[in-house]
Amino acid sequence: KQEVTQIPAALSVPEGENLVLNCSFTDSAIYNLQWFRQDPGKGLTSLLLIQSSQREQTSGRLNASLDKSSGRSTLYIAASQPGDSATYLCAVSVSGNQFYFGTGTSLTVIP
Amino acid sequence: NAGVTQTPKFQVLKTGQSMTLQCAQDMNHEYMSWYRQDPGMGLRLIHYSVGAGITDQGEVPNGYNVSRSTTEDFPLRLLLAAPSQTSVYFCASRRSKNTEAFFGQGTRLTVV
Repeated sequence: KQEVTQIPAALSVPEGENLVLNCSFTDSAIYNLQWFRQDPGKGLTSLLLIQSSQREQTSGRLNASLDKSSGRSTLYIAASQPGDSATYLCAVSVSGNQFYFGTGTSLTVIP
Repeated sequence: NAGVTQTPKFQVLKTGQSMTLQCAQDMNHEYMSWYRQDPGMGLRLIHYSVGAGITDQGEVPNGYNVSRSTTEDFPLRLLLAAPSQTSVYFCASRRSKNTEAFFGQGTRLTVV
């Protein structure tokens, strides 16, 4: 079974700082990987999808990388803002039918 | 487009009662799925569907039934609610296994 781990569980940074969130997975035979953000009491908002053949994807201030061989993905957030405060979830798809989720990194950006 | 719509947003059930959680999407997506989110655990897959008339079990299917009679709707049925089914339930859809998944706002269910 695919195991997905996100470290750290919580992170607090001052506004304007660049930061990296980490995601590791045990089975490198993945189909794709998707990063989400979840605000308290809300649903999941898609941030970036990386196919297994890709090394990285970018959207605005966000950049996600994928290293299948080492079982790792990172989400880089540039020039963090208080509005970036949320829980960030990493989800790995093995067969394409199911996502395996990490427990998330809770990010607080301090003004 | 409304995206993925879940109803109700909140529900309290008594043990042994039954109910249906509704999920509808207006994006003509073939893939739909149900997850539950519990404290300290990642979201776990309950059931999924790859098209109308096709459903399959996920990681934690016991106590839940699904059917997919149309592309748009994918209801989740709890037949005999138990306190262990207290959770937040999310419905998701995607066009294909290569595309991004979209999630609904969730249903917070409490079984007493």
